[in-house]
Amino acid sequence: GEDVEQSLFLSVREGDSSVINCTYTDSSSTYLYWYKQEPGAGLQLLTYIFSNMDMKQDQRLTVLLNKKDKHLSLRIADTQTGDSAIYFCAEISSGGYNKLIFGAGTRLAVHP
Amino acid sequence: DGGITQSPKYLFRKEGQNVTLSCEQNLNHDAMYWYRQDPGQGLRLIYYSQIVNDFQKGDIAEGYSVSREKKESFPLTVTSAQKNPTAFYLCASSAGGQPQHFGDGTRLSIL
Repeated sequence: GEDVEQSLFLSVREGDSSVINCTYTDSSSTYLYWYKQEPGAGLQLLTYIFSNMDMKQDQRLTVLLNKKDKHLSLRIADTQTGDSAIYFCAEISSGGYNKLIFGAGTRLAVHP
Repeated sequence: DGGITQSPKYLFRKEGQNVTLSCEQNLNHDAMYWYRQDPGQGLRLIYYSQIVNDFQKGDIAEGYSVSREKKESFPLTVTSAQKNPTAFYLCASSAGGQPQHFGDGTRLSIL
């Protein structure tokens, strides 16, 4: 079945780059998403990439997509304490209706 | 500003009680969704609606019910049949195949 997997925890020093990884199973996914969740809040759409792209850059965020390996990564340059949150990877389900399949989320902790 | 409003932010349920979570959007989106989030897990889809007066079960619909009488509103009822309702509930909406946008969630606990 459809599945999205992420590592659960990442700790980085302020100013370093963070790389959050995700693997997915549905090769027919048209879009892949990254959402950010701060404590007690909803999900904020960070960025997304279309499946025919290899890379997308948006300010400090870089998304890399390896379709062959079904691997997606999110790189955050110059990580700040405000980046501390849970990051969710999600793919569009082949079942249609814009249904999203989420990973369990990666908790990013940024320390001085 | 356009957005999705969920209320209340915190909700407590007694045994045998039904409770209703509100979700309103002024984004003019056709599609709306309800997700459940448990600690250390991703979001799981409860119900979704592509259009007014139509909705479909998601992956974990048992013990929940919804209605979609207006485009901007998609309330979720957690019934007494849901034996483990304690969770964080998130509502989302989207236009066509566009990304889903989320509300700030409702945290439901058992008294």
